[in-house]
Amino acid sequence: DIRMTQSPSSLSASVGDRVTITCRASQDISNYLAWFQQKPGKAPKSLIYAASSLQSGVPSRFSGSGSGTDFTLTISSLQPEDFATYYCQQYKSYPFTFGPGTKVDVK
Amino acid sequence: EVQLVESGGGLVQPGGSLRLSCAASGFTISSYSMNWVRQAPGKGLEWVSYISSSSSTIYYADSVKGRFTISRDNGKNSLYLQMNSLRVEDTAVYYCVGGYWGQGTLVTVSS
Repeated sequence: DIRMTQSPSSLSASVGDRVTITCRASQDISNYLAWFQQKPGKAPKSLIYAASSLQSGVPSRFSGSGSGTDFTLTISSLQPEDFATYYCQQYKSYPFTFGPGTKVDVK
Repeated sequence: EVQLVESGGGLVQPGGSLRLSCAASGFTISSYSMNWVRQAPGKGLEWVSYISSSSSTIYYADSVKGRFTISRDNGKNSLYLQMNSLRVEDTAVYYCVGGYWGQGTLVTVSS
């Protein structure tokens, strides 16, 4: 199975900050990586697929990059509605494993 | 507006069965592969099962293999998950996912 790790596990930030979350795969997954956002008590929401393609309707302050084993989710200017937990997921080979999540909270 | 609406969750005793359904609207599932993903209380996301658009390819997580069966009816724009031999550790919110996410349905396995 491909193991996904994320760093940091949590971070504190302020509105307007640039935030970067890293996701690492235990083996090469090319660009078969997605990012999701989840707010407390809510269903996750798809943000990015194919490592860097923005889902329809997702604000352009979100961006993804990377290929192979190392990936990054960047929020260019954190907004109040962005405080949430973020998960990465590989879909190169099953089981389609998720990372453990990164919680972004208020500084 | 795209909506995926799960139903069929509830309280069941260990060893019991449930069938989850996911009805799509504003979104035609026939062109898309679909997944079930679950989240145990206070935990992260766990992928459960995948089905291709034509049902020709199906995958399961090892934790549910042999007990759960995924299926779809493209004519009814719906996805299903038949869950048998349920265990306490299957307790979770189950999400239907196909690019979009449903709101989830809670499955509680307890005696």
